[in-house]
Amino acid sequence: QQQVKQSPQSLIVQKGGISIINCAYENTAFDYFPWYQQFPGKGPALLIAIRPDVSEKKEGRFTISFNKSAKQFSLHIMDSQPGDSATYFCAARIGGTSGSRLTFGEGTQLTVNP
Amino acid sequence: NAGVTQTPKFRVLKTGQSMTLLCAQDMNHEYMYWYRQDPGMGLRLIHYSVGEGTTAKGEVPDGYNVSRLKKQNFLLGLESAAPSQTSVYFCASSCRRTSRCQEETQYFGPGTRLLVL
Repeated sequence: QQQVKQSPQSLIVQKGGISIINCAYENTAFDYFPWYQQFPGKGPALLIAIRPDVSEKKEGRFTISFNKSAKQFSLHIMDSQPGDSATYFCAARIGGTSGSRLTFGEGTQLTVNP
Repeated sequence: NAGVTQTPKFRVLKTGQSMTLLCAQDMNHEYMYWYRQDPGMGLRLIHYSVGEGTTAKGEVPDGYNVSRLKKQNFLLGLESAAPSQTSVYFCASSCRRTSRCQEETQYFGPGTRLLVL
């Protein structure tokens, strides 16, 4: 059962445009929501993350918007660049004494055309 | 620091063969994880470990075993490989959140591509 649903599966954006990727979750026990970026042949790398007590977090061109009541969060990439072309994964974490586990969304393949 | 390393990078197995994937981290992290990545399914947790000598099942543990004899190493074993285990396997590590470690980031290795024929 996929606890984190991600959309769209693929996204094509022109250079300078805004890329938006959405995720929804069901489990209210999740306490941390990271986004990972993965380039072909590489492992995922943390891009930006947010806690549920914050509605928005911005780091450079990347912004997470978080809606706790709707159990949704999204990644916005402003002024998208060809170098942003990669696969993006949202994730949600359950922490606790038994360890910290991430549940990932299905991934979004972003292509930014020059 | 090398971070998280994985061995081998690529392997082809025949159905029924066994193999062990090795993950090593040099960041003194307590937590280590094994994921598999399949197209359209994201990353799914196979097994994880919260410390030396302890392991636990993740979302898709069947057909895999793990061991964490040393803090820096986490081994993933396939006793009898099946074509359904064709995937890219990622190892990750993270520190346990304490006053000395505020990070919650999981650091991933470069992956092992496994093909089971």
